[in-house]
Amino acid sequence: EVQLLESGGDLVQPGGSLRLSCAASGFTFSSYAMSWVRQAPGKGLEWVSVFSVSGGTTHYADSVKGRFTISRDISKKTIYLQMNSLSAEDTAVYYCAKGLWGSSSYYFDSWGQGTLVTVSS
Amino acid sequence: DIQMTQSPSSVSASVGDRVTISCRASQGITNWLAWYQQKPGKAPKLLIYAASTLQSGVPSRFSGSASGTDFTLTISSLQPEDFATYYCQQANSFPLTFGQGTKLEIK
Repeated sequence: EVQLLESGGDLVQPGGSLRLSCAASGFTFSSYAMSWVRQAPGKGLEWVSVFSVSGGTTHYADSVKGRFTISRDISKKTIYLQMNSLSAEDTAVYYCAKGLWGSSSYYFDSWGQGTLVTVSS
Repeated sequence: DIQMTQSPSSVSASVGDRVTISCRASQGITNWLAWYQQKPGKAPKLLIYAASTLQSGVPSRFSGSASGTDFTLTISSLQPEDFATYYCQQANSFPLTFGQGTKLEIK
């Protein structure tokens, strides 16, 4: 059974930094793309970033480019999201999500329970 | 960026009804589209990908179709557990984008 467990969400001041983690189990971690998707309170879903399988390529939403960095530790089966220069607009529940196989990597078939990031003074 | 526009934003229906939710892409995405269901306080669930492929374990009352840049999610006979918010998502190009959501409520 696929399991994704996020951690690291917290209350942080504007301009601050935070690192989220997502520990994976139940599948061959190195063979699947992994994404972060966020949802602001009462709002819709927003894709944030992906760590692709092919060559470890990464992509970001324009809203986080240059501030967030996605990374992966295969030995720990964990994906990370380093978030810098946080603002109130980054307040959201952050989900990690596993992609489907191969060319369908950017459809998300398994999700974690989410971790809440609140940016406020 | 590709904009995904869903309609309606909300819909009221009764158990047993047939419901359709639409999603329009701002440019061609071939069939690179998924549908998700989200219930309050829960993570989204993948229903359909590649516009019309039913994800494993999803009931057959859910179906998807495509015509150009217009995509449709159909629930053939609503069940009580189907009342939720539905999102479309394009996987054609980065940045990946979601529609704004359609809330399906009980009439």
